[in-house]
Amino acid sequence: EAGVAQSPRYKIIEKRQSVAFWCNPISGHATLYWYQQILGQGPKLLIQFQNNGVVDDSQLPKDRFSAERLKGVDSTLKIQPAKLEDSAVYLCASGEGQYTDTQYFGPGTRLTVL
Amino acid sequence: AQTVTQSQPEMSVQEAETVTLSCTYDTSENNYYLFWYKQPPSRQMILVIRQEAYKQQNATENRFSVNFQKAAKSFSLKISDSQLGDTAMYFCAFMANSKLTFGKGITLSVRP
Repeated sequence: EAGVAQSPRYKIIEKRQSVAFWCNPISGHATLYWYQQILGQGPKLLIQFQNNGVVDDSQLPKDRFSAERLKGVDSTLKIQPAKLEDSAVYLCASGEGQYTDTQYFGPGTRLTVL
Repeated sequence: AQTVTQSQPEMSVQEAETVTLSCTYDTSENNYYLFWYKQPPSRQMILVIRQEAYKQQNATENRFSVNFQKAAKSFSLKISDSQLGDTAMYFCAFMANSKLTFGKGITLSVRP
């Protein structure tokens, strides 16, 4: 069974530029999550999708971050414009059902904002 | 709100020995899950072990076992017969209502 796929693996941009990350969850998984992991810290939830609907986006900085999950499968996370403090690893995870009890993580995208 | 505390920032253990990583949490929920995740330098977050709060029996997965003390809200991970491949950052995590909250993590180094 293929795992959660993410691309790109690395991205370097300058502040005020825009960037987008892509995630393909495990086949059949209804729930998809985006996390931000700053160096030396645990991941912090940004947004949770159930199929193509948003369940929780309370921690998403909506003035600059946006995410979508069209057709309830793949998802993209966008930052526009990027700030220096957005430098982090962005992790995507997926789970089977609405009340999934286990999340499976992708390899992440390391973003560096200069 | 749920909080997860990992007070030890780093630990070191000799290969083949046993090490215990500590974790405490705070919640008012009755139904929840607890996890230990491993994140090697390659960055992929891997599930090590999970525990359902309603189960009294401690979970085990090969060399990995937990000591779950529900009343004390404590959830420690024991790694037996440590291997060089166990070197990684370990995160304790709490889940309720599908929301996962992580601790800050602990860096474990296994010495040859």
